[in-house]
Formats: sequence, structure tokens, C-alpha cells
Amino acid sequence: EIVLTQSPATLSLSPGERATLSCRASQDINIFLGWYQQRPGQAPRLLIFDASNRAPGVPARFSGSGSGTDFTLTISSLEPEDFAVYYCLQRSNRPLFTFGPGTKVDVK
Amino acid sequence: EVQLLESGGGLVQPGGSLRLSCVASGITFRTSAMTWVRQPPGKGLEWVSAIGATGDNTYYADSLEGRFTISRANSYNTVYLQLNNLRAEDTAIYYCARLEKTYFDYWGRGTLVTVSS
Repeated sequence: EIVLTQSPATLSLSPGERATLSCRASQDINIFLGWYQQRPGQAPRLLIFDASNRAPGVPARFSGSGSGTDFTLTISSLEPEDFAVYYCLQRSNRPLFTFGPGTKVDVK
Repeated sequence: EVQLLESGGGLVQPGGSLRLSCVASGITFRTSAMTWVRQPPGKGLEWVSAIGATGDNTYYADSLEGRFTISRANSYNTVYLQLNNLRAEDTAIYYCARLEKTYFDYWGRGTLVTVSS
């Protein structure tokens, strides 16, 4: 079973700062990892798919990188609406999908 | 505009059953794989189940122990999740989403299931 670990659990930053979020898989998952943003009281929203592809409508300040077991989501300059929880999601054979535990980005 | 609208949640006693529905619009439903994801109050996301476009292929999280069944009715643009033998730990918001190969691109707002006596 593939397990995803996200770090840090909480990231306290100020608007305008750069955010770097990590997701590590317990086995090689190629590039089959996505990133999702969830604001309070809202459904999750797809940001990045297949490690580095921005979903339509997602601002360019969001970028993803990595392959194999180590992946990174970078927000180049935090906007007020970016303070939220971020989840990674992997696709493999069994289980078909697994979410990471999430990283909360909050205001310092 | 894509819309996914879940319904069917509510309060149910332990051991009870519910059927959740998700009606889709704005997508070509008959060629779309679909999935369910849940989120217990104050906790993270958990993938629950997925179904292929024709309904022939279904997938489940191991943790469900065979209690849930996913199905679909393409003529009604609807995907279902039958929840049986419910437990307190099944209390969560249940989201449906479109599954596009390796990711979930469109999400509904969710329906709350509360299992309590």
C-alpha cells in the first residue's frame, strides 16, 4: 500500500512570501501525483495534475515539480486567498488513490 | 458550466443504510469516470470509490470492508453510492468528483452523512 507523507503539517507565512510544500510517497509513483487546495467550508479544488501540470484557471504562481517519490508544490508569492489546506493525491494500482494528510498554510 | 450536485445525506443510526446520489451537468457524463471522496468533520480527505464510464469497472478503498457499492445511471447523468452497515466512523461529508485518468477535476459541494444513535 502506498502512503503519502506531507510536510510540514502547518506552514505559517505572510502574504507575499514563498511557500514550499512537500509530498513524499512510500513507493515510486512516477508522475501520478496531483495537488488540491481546500478553503474552509469549500470543496477541494484541483491545482496541479501529473506532478507539474497546472489545471485550467489556476494562477501561474502555483507550480509543481517532482517524480518518483518526492514532489513539491510551490506558491511563488502568497495571496490572501491562498491561505488554505493543501492535499496531495496519488494514483496507483492498489489502492487506486491515496490522499496525503494535508499541509495547512496559515497567516503568520 | 460544470455542476455536480450530491444529495441523500442525513442522520442515520449505526447499522443503517443510505444511498447517495450525484447528478452531473455540463460534462459528457456517459464518457466520464466518477469517484467519491469523504471527509470526516475537521479531518483530511479519504478516497472512497470509483467507477468507469460504462459502470463495468468499480474500485473501492480497502477500509470500507465491502460495505459500500458504487453504481451509475448514464441515462440520468447520475452516480450513486450505497452505504450499508454504517458506523460512527463513516460520519463525513461525501463529495463526488469527475475522475480524469489520474486526477479529480470537477467536484460537487458534498452531502453530510451523520451516523449516530
